[in-house]
Amino acid sequence: DAMVIQNPRYQVTQFGKPVTLSCSQTLNHNVMYWYQQKSSQAPKLLFHYYDKDFNNEADTPDNFQSRRPNTSFCFLDIRSPGLGDAAMYLCATSRDKGYEQFFGPGTRLTVL
Amino acid sequence: GQSLEQPSEVTAVEGAIVQINCTYQTSGFYGLSWYQQHDGGAPTFLSYNALDGLEETGRFSSFLSRSDSYGYLLLQELQMKDSASYFCAVTSGTYKYIFGTGTRLKVLA
Repeated sequence: DAMVIQNPRYQVTQFGKPVTLSCSQTLNHNVMYWYQQKSSQAPKLLFHYYDKDFNNEADTPDNFQSRRPNTSFCFLDIRSPGLGDAAMYLCATSRDKGYEQFFGPGTRLTVL
Repeated sequence: GQSLEQPSEVTAVEGAIVQINCTYQTSGFYGLSWYQQHDGGAPTFLSYNALDGLEETGRFSSFLSRSDSYGYLLLQELQMKDSASYFCAVTSGTYKYIFGTGTRLKVLA
């Protein structure tokens, strides 16, 4: 019954070594989101897709990229992770504007 | 700028009622949502208000006043398992959500 799946759950990378986080959904939702959440802070929106339309938040660093090859999958690429990028990365989906978001369990990224 | 303000922490005892407030200032408004997040877990949806008034879902109720840019989450018959962080989130005119600063609720036995 898993609805939003994120892999891996824990990712360790080295400073500057590219990393890709993945998200898949079985809900067939149009909208997919990537959030970054640091300890004791609110989730911070990085990007969202409505279908294939990509929307980048103005303050999302260029170091972060995203791909959505089809409805079910979405990827977050961090080209050159810095120590400040260590965080929980949450993927979420929504049927449409105003509907509830369904979150995946998150990927905790550690940068050494 | 866009901002959503919540109290940082609220403490209450089991069985009590607690209200978590959210005031927002955003460039567009479509609706106000509430999410619960336990430590180490993902946010889970609690309720949504698009129109003024009260929405009730079991022990949880949520209120919205668009003219005051204000909403609250009301938790009744508090249980220990309600200890978590609670976030309000505004859906703007696009598909994006802006999350509030979060309120950490501690329920004491």
